[in-house]
Amino acid sequence: AQKITQTQPGMFVQEKEAVTLDCTYDTSDPSYGLFWYKQPSSGEMIFLIYQGSYDQQNATEGRYSLNFQKARKSANLVISASQLGDSAMYFCAMRLPNTGNQFYFGTGTSLTVIP
Amino acid sequence: DVKVTQSSRYLVKRTGEKVFLECVQDMDHENMFWYRQDPGLGLRLIYFSYDVKMKEKGDIPEGYSVSREKKERFSLILESASTNQTSMYLCASSLPPPQGGETQYFGPGTRLLVL
Repeated sequence: AQKITQTQPGMFVQEKEAVTLDCTYDTSDPSYGLFWYKQPSSGEMIFLIYQGSYDQQNATEGRYSLNFQKARKSANLVISASQLGDSAMYFCAMRLPNTGNQFYFGTGTSLTVIP
Repeated sequence: DVKVTQSSRYLVKRTGEKVFLECVQDMDHENMFWYRQDPGLGLRLIYFSYDVKMKEKGDIPEGYSVSREKKERFSLILESASTNQTSMYLCASSLPPPQGGETQYFGPGTRLLVL
């Protein structure tokens, strides 16, 4: 069963505007971690941001913020003031300590920033 | 800085060959993972290991085996390569809980082509 769902295969955003990348997750475990990664065309996976299931506040890291809505089981990534270098694949992932610390990844969203 | 290295960035092999993909991390991480990445499918876990000589099957272990003789090294073995194993292979490592928010750190990936 799909544990992480990213419904947007591709997204476009104008430079300097904000964009939201959607992610929903499925687990009945009370303890879990949610992650976002960026993968440029070069292929390396770059960690962006983390949200723990018990965290009260939404995580932020510079221009990245995670809109965590626990009741809806969503963990959307918001990128503010988009830059051309933000063009990449973005993956949402969930870590479940009760499954041997496996990470479950979504299928990714390809973001293109338009000048 | 955590460094995860993979033995090759690009590899071309023939059907039926035995293929070894090596991964080395320098941060004394207990957990190590092998994924394959295919367009539209995201990252799928092949095998992971949470200690030396320990291994666990992921979602798609068929056709693969692994070896972890030393803590820093995790090898993925394709016993008899087939064309449907043409893919991008990503290695990752991480600390276990209770560090909690620890992300996975990824290697640069190996693009394998099986002819």
